[in-house]
Amino acid sequence: EVQLVESGGGLVQPGGSLRLSCAASGFTFSSYWMHWVRQAPGKGLVWVSRINTDGSSTNYADSVKGRFTISRDNAKNTLYLQMNSLRAEDTAVYYCARDPHGRNWFDPWGQGTLVTVSS
Amino acid sequence: DIQMTQSPSSLSASVGDRVTITCRASQSIGTFLNWYQQKPGKAPNLLIYAASSLQSGVPSRFSGSGFGTDFTLIISSLQPEDFASYYCQQSYSTPLTFGGGTKVEIK
Repeated sequence: EVQLVESGGGLVQPGGSLRLSCAASGFTFSSYWMHWVRQAPGKGLVWVSRINTDGSSTNYADSVKGRFTISRDNAKNTLYLQMNSLRAEDTAVYYCARDPHGRNWFDPWGQGTLVTVSS
Repeated sequence: DIQMTQSPSSLSASVGDRVTITCRASQSIGTFLNWYQQKPGKAPNLLIYAASSLQSGVPSRFSGSGFGTDFTLIISSLQPEDFASYYCQQSYSTPLTFGGGTKVEIK
């Protein structure tokens, strides 16, 4: 069974840092592009970042560029999102999602991890 | 950035109704359009990709159509488990963008 499990969310003060992880299982992780998508409480979906199969190519939404870094460890079947200089507006549930061969759609999604930025 | 506009933002419907949700892109995106269903407290689930291709395991009452800037998601006969929010998403170019969502509620 294909499974994505996020972890690492929590409460952090403005200006702080957090690293999210997404553990993948049930498929050949190294063959798939991966994404992070977030959803603020009660709001819609917002794409955050993507990474290609070997980590050599990454893209970011303007709202997180320069503050967030996406990476992956194919040996550990794990996707990461390093989040620095966090702001209140970064408060959201963060989902990781698999992308079939760089098609830029998302299937499946993890269950999400909540990041709350507040003092 | 490509802006995605969904309508309506919410609708009330009864079991058995035919439901139509539309999505408009701010520029032509060919068939690079996908649809997701999201139930409260759950992750989104892919329904339709490439405008009209039904994802494996998704009931055939869901269908998608469109090309260029105008797209439609149709639920042919609404079932109790279909009450949820629906989002369109363009996969034409980064930043990848979503519509604002359509909440389908019980009438």
